[in-house]
Amino acid sequence: QLQLQESGPGLVKSSETLSLTCTISGGSISSSTYSWGWIRQTPGKGLEWIGNIYYNGATYYNPSLNSRVTISADTSKNQFSLKLRSVTAADTAIYYCSYLVGAATTDYWGQGTLVTVSS
Amino acid sequence: QSVLTQPPSASGTPGQGVTVSCSGSSSNIGSNTVNWYQLLPGTAPKLLIYRNNQRPLGVPDRFSGSKSGTSASLAITGLQSEDEADYYCAAWDDSLNGPVFGGGTKLTVL
Repeated sequence: QLQLQESGPGLVKSSETLSLTCTISGGSISSSTYSWGWIRQTPGKGLEWIGNIYYNGATYYNPSLNSRVTISADTSKNQFSLKLRSVTAADTAIYYCSYLVGAATTDYWGQGTLVTVSS
Repeated sequence: QSVLTQPPSASGTPGQGVTVSCSGSSSNIGSNTVNWYQLLPGTAPKLLIYRNNQRPLGVPDRFSGSKSGTSASLAITGLQSEDEADYYCAAWDDSLNGPVFGGGTKLTVL
Protein backbone atom coordinates (compact mmCIF):
# COMPACT_ATOMS: atom_id res chain seq x y z
CA GLN A 1 0.00 0.00 0.00
CA LEU A 2 1.45 3.32 -1.07
CA GLN A 3 2.01 5.79 1.75
CA LEU A 4 3.16 9.41 1.70
CA GLN A 5 4.63 11.34 4.61
CA GLU A 6 5.37 15.05 4.72
CA SER A 7 8.18 16.45 6.83
CA GLY A 8 9.63 19.88 7.46
CA PRO A 9 9.46 22.92 9.75
CA GLY A 10 6.06 23.87 11.08
CA LEU A 11 7.03 27.51 11.47
CA VAL A 12 8.60 29.73 8.84
CA LYS A 13 9.38 33.43 9.09
CA SER A 14 7.84 35.86 6.67
CA SER A 15 9.94 36.50 3.53
CA GLU A 16 11.89 33.26 4.03
CA THR A 17 11.62 29.94 2.17
CA LEU A 18 9.22 27.14 3.10
CA SER A 19 10.79 23.72 2.52
CA LEU A 20 8.94 20.41 2.78
CA THR A 21 9.81 16.86 1.81
CA CYS A 22 7.51 13.97 0.96
CA THR A 23 8.80 10.46 1.61
CA ILE A 24 7.21 7.67 -0.41
CA SER A 25 6.84 4.13 0.92
CA GLY A 26 5.23 1.15 -0.75
CA GLY A 27 6.03 2.50 -4.20
CA SER A 28 8.71 4.16 -6.30
CA ILE A 29 8.76 7.71 -7.52
CA SER A 30 10.60 6.65 -10.65
CA SER A 31 8.34 3.75 -11.63
CA SER A 32 5.14 5.66 -12.34
CA THR A 33 4.26 7.79 -15.33
CA TYR A 34 1.73 9.72 -13.26
CA SER A 35 2.57 12.85 -11.35
CA TRP A 36 3.44 13.41 -7.73
CA GLY A 37 2.24 16.69 -6.34
CA TRP A 38 1.76 19.22 -3.59
CA ILE A 39 -1.61 20.61 -2.55
CA ARG A 40 -2.41 22.97 0.28
CA GLN A 41 -5.50 23.75 2.31
CA THR A 42 -6.08 27.25 3.61
CA PRO A 43 -9.04 28.54 5.62
CA GLY A 44 -9.81 31.22 3.07
CA LYS A 45 -9.16 29.46 -0.24
CA GLY A 46 -9.85 25.81 0.45
CA LEU A 47 -7.80 23.28 -1.50
CA GLU A 48 -5.22 24.70 -3.87
CA TRP A 49 -2.94 22.79 -6.23
CA ILE A 50 0.67 23.95 -5.93
CA GLY A 51 2.48 21.85 -8.50
CA ASN A 52 3.43 18.42 -9.85
CA ILE A 53 6.56 16.53 -10.78
CA TYR A 54 6.78 13.55 -13.11
CA TYR A 55 9.16 10.59 -13.08
CA ASN A 56 11.20 12.22 -15.84
CA GLY A 57 11.65 15.42 -13.82
CA ALA A 58 9.11 17.51 -15.69
CA THR A 59 7.34 20.00 -13.45
CA TYR A 60 4.15 22.03 -13.69
CA TYR A 61 3.13 24.77 -11.29
CA ASN A 62 0.01 26.71 -10.40
CA PRO A 63 0.39 30.01 -12.31
CA SER A 64 -0.53 31.94 -9.18
CA LEU A 65 2.53 30.52 -7.37
CA ASN A 66 4.80 29.79 -10.33
CA SER A 67 7.35 32.49 -9.64
CA ARG A 68 7.95 31.31 -6.07
CA VAL A 69 7.74 27.51 -6.32
CA THR A 70 10.24 24.76 -7.06
CA ILE A 71 9.43 21.04 -6.85
CA SER A 72 12.25 18.55 -7.16
CA ALA A 73 12.78 14.83 -6.70
CA ASP A 74 15.49 12.66 -5.19
CA THR A 75 15.00 9.21 -6.66
CA SER A 76 17.78 7.70 -4.51
CA LYS A 77 15.79 8.59 -1.39
CA ASN A 78 12.36 8.05 -3.00
CA GLN A 79 11.38 11.57 -2.04
CA PHE A 80 10.16 14.74 -3.64
CA SER A 81 10.35 18.22 -2.20
CA LEU A 82 8.67 21.61 -2.24
CA LYS A 83 10.31 24.99 -1.90
CA LEU A 84 8.14 28.10 -1.67
CA ARG A 85 10.09 31.33 -1.56
CA SER A 86 9.24 34.73 -0.07
CA VAL A 87 6.40 33.43 2.05
CA THR A 88 3.78 35.63 3.67
CA ALA A 89 0.97 35.01 6.14
CA ALA A 90 -1.20 34.02 3.18
CA ASP A 91 0.98 30.93 2.76
CA THR A 92 -0.03 29.61 6.18
CA ALA A 93 -1.76 26.32 5.36
CA ILE A 94 -1.86 22.59 5.72
CA TYR A 95 0.44 21.20 3.03
CA TYR A 96 -0.25 17.77 1.55
CA CYS A 97 1.87 15.68 -0.77
CA SER A 98 -0.17 13.62 -3.16
CA TYR A 99 -0.21 11.04 -5.93
CA LEU A 100 -2.75 10.48 -8.68
CA VAL A 101 -4.94 13.41 -7.62
CA GLY A 102 -6.96 14.28 -10.69
CA ALA A 103 -6.39 10.96 -12.39
CA ALA A 104 -9.37 8.72 -13.13
CA THR A 105 -8.56 6.42 -10.26
CA THR A 106 -8.25 6.35 -6.49
CA ASP A 107 -5.56 8.67 -5.21
CA TYR A 108 -3.20 9.03 -2.29
CA TRP A 109 -2.57 11.87 0.16
CA GLY A 110 -0.12 12.34 2.96
CA GLN A 111 -1.50 13.15 6.38
CA GLY A 112 -0.69 16.82 5.87
CA THR A 113 1.57 19.17 7.77
CA LEU A 114 0.61 22.56 9.12
CA VAL A 115 3.00 25.33 8.20
CA THR A 116 2.57 28.67 9.89
CA VAL A 117 4.23 31.81 8.58
CA SER A 118 5.19 34.19 11.35
CA SER A 119 6.09 37.83 11.15
CA GLN B 1 -11.17 32.39 -6.67
CA SER B 2 -11.36 28.68 -7.43
CA VAL B 3 -11.32 27.29 -10.97
CA LEU B 4 -14.36 25.09 -10.30
CA THR B 5 -17.53 26.66 -8.90
CA GLN B 6 -19.45 25.20 -5.98
CA PRO B 7 -22.12 26.69 -3.74
CA PRO B 8 -20.52 27.76 -0.46
CA SER B 9 -23.11 26.01 1.68
CA ALA B 10 -25.81 23.35 1.69
CA SER B 11 -28.01 21.91 4.40
CA GLY B 12 -30.50 19.21 5.13
CA THR B 13 -32.13 17.36 7.98
CA PRO B 14 -31.30 13.81 8.99
CA GLY B 15 -32.72 11.31 6.54
CA GLN B 16 -33.10 13.86 3.77
CA GLY B 17 -31.09 14.07 0.58
CA VAL B 18 -28.89 16.90 -0.65
CA THR B 19 -27.08 17.65 -3.90
CA VAL B 20 -23.89 19.67 -4.34
CA SER B 21 -23.10 21.08 -7.77
CA CYS B 22 -19.74 21.76 -9.39
CA SER B 23 -19.26 23.78 -12.54
CA GLY B 24 -16.14 23.97 -14.66
CA SER B 25 -15.03 24.42 -18.24
CA SER B 26 -13.97 22.50 -21.32
CA SER B 27 -10.36 22.23 -20.13
CA ASN B 28 -11.24 20.47 -16.89
CA ILE B 29 -14.65 18.87 -16.26
CA GLY B 30 -15.53 19.00 -19.94
CA SER B 31 -12.62 16.75 -20.90
CA ASN B 32 -11.71 14.87 -17.73
CA THR B 33 -13.32 12.94 -14.91
CA VAL B 34 -14.45 14.42 -11.61
CA ASN B 35 -13.53 13.47 -8.06
CA TRP B 36 -15.30 14.43 -4.86
CA TYR B 37 -13.65 14.75 -1.45
CA GLN B 38 -14.91 15.04 2.10
CA LEU B 39 -12.86 17.20 4.44
CA LEU B 40 -13.14 16.86 8.19
CA PRO B 41 -11.06 18.93 10.63
CA GLY B 42 -7.70 17.41 11.34
CA THR B 43 -7.83 14.75 8.66
CA ALA B 44 -6.59 14.47 5.09
CA PRO B 45 -9.17 14.76 2.30
CA LYS B 46 -11.18 11.57 1.93
CA LEU B 47 -11.97 10.48 -1.61
CA LEU B 48 -15.71 9.87 -1.90
CA ILE B 49 -16.18 9.62 -5.66
CA TYR B 50 -13.68 9.16 -8.49
CA ARG B 51 -14.12 8.86 -12.24
CA ASN B 52 -17.41 10.83 -11.96
CA ASN B 53 -19.43 8.13 -10.25
CA GLN B 54 -17.20 5.43 -8.77
CA ARG B 55 -17.01 4.86 -5.02
CA PRO B 56 -13.80 3.64 -3.38
CA LEU B 57 -14.14 0.65 -1.12
CA GLY B 58 -15.74 1.61 2.16
CA VAL B 59 -17.68 4.64 0.94
CA PRO B 60 -21.39 4.12 1.58
CA ASP B 61 -23.73 3.96 -1.41
CA ARG B 62 -25.55 6.95 0.07
CA PHE B 63 -22.93 8.96 -1.83
CA SER B 64 -23.22 9.12 -5.61
CA GLY B 65 -21.79 11.26 -8.36
CA SER B 66 -22.74 12.29 -11.85
CA LYS B 67 -21.35 14.44 -14.64
CA SER B 68 -22.83 16.13 -17.66
CA GLY B 69 -20.85 18.35 -19.98
CA THR B 70 -18.88 20.82 -17.89
CA SER B 71 -20.82 20.24 -14.67
CA ALA B 72 -20.92 17.57 -12.02
CA SER B 73 -22.97 16.77 -8.94
CA LEU B 74 -22.56 14.93 -5.69
CA ALA B 75 -25.72 13.50 -4.17
CA ILE B 76 -26.01 12.37 -0.58
CA THR B 77 -29.11 10.48 0.48
CA GLY B 78 -30.24 9.56 3.98
CA LEU B 79 -28.26 12.37 5.60
CA GLN B 80 -26.53 11.53 8.84
CA SER B 81 -24.98 13.83 11.41
CA GLU B 82 -21.51 12.53 10.55
CA ASP B 83 -21.97 13.80 6.98
CA GLU B 84 -21.54 17.35 8.28
CA ALA B 85 -18.29 18.36 6.59
CA ASP B 86 -16.79 20.33 3.72
CA TYR B 87 -17.09 18.80 0.26
CA TYR B 88 -14.81 19.60 -2.67
CA CYS B 89 -14.96 18.66 -6.33
CA ALA B 90 -11.79 18.27 -8.38
CA ALA B 91 -10.81 17.56 -11.96
CA TRP B 92 -7.64 17.49 -14.01
CA ASP B 93 -7.13 20.65 -16.04
CA ASP B 94 -5.45 20.12 -19.41
CA SER B 95 -4.32 23.72 -19.73
CA LEU B 96 -2.64 23.78 -16.33
CA ASN B 97 -1.37 20.18 -16.32
CA GLY B 98 -2.62 19.78 -12.78
CA PRO B 99 -5.78 19.24 -10.76
CA VAL B 100 -8.16 22.09 -10.04
CA PHE B 101 -10.60 22.28 -7.16
CA GLY B 102 -13.89 23.86 -6.30
CA GLY B 103 -14.09 26.34 -3.47
CA GLY B 104 -15.78 23.80 -1.24
CA THR B 105 -19.33 23.39 0.04
CA LYS B 106 -19.99 23.36 3.76
CA LEU B 107 -22.73 20.85 4.48
CA THR B 108 -24.76 21.39 7.63
CA VAL B 109 -27.01 18.65 8.95
CA LEU B 110 -29.73 20.50 10.82
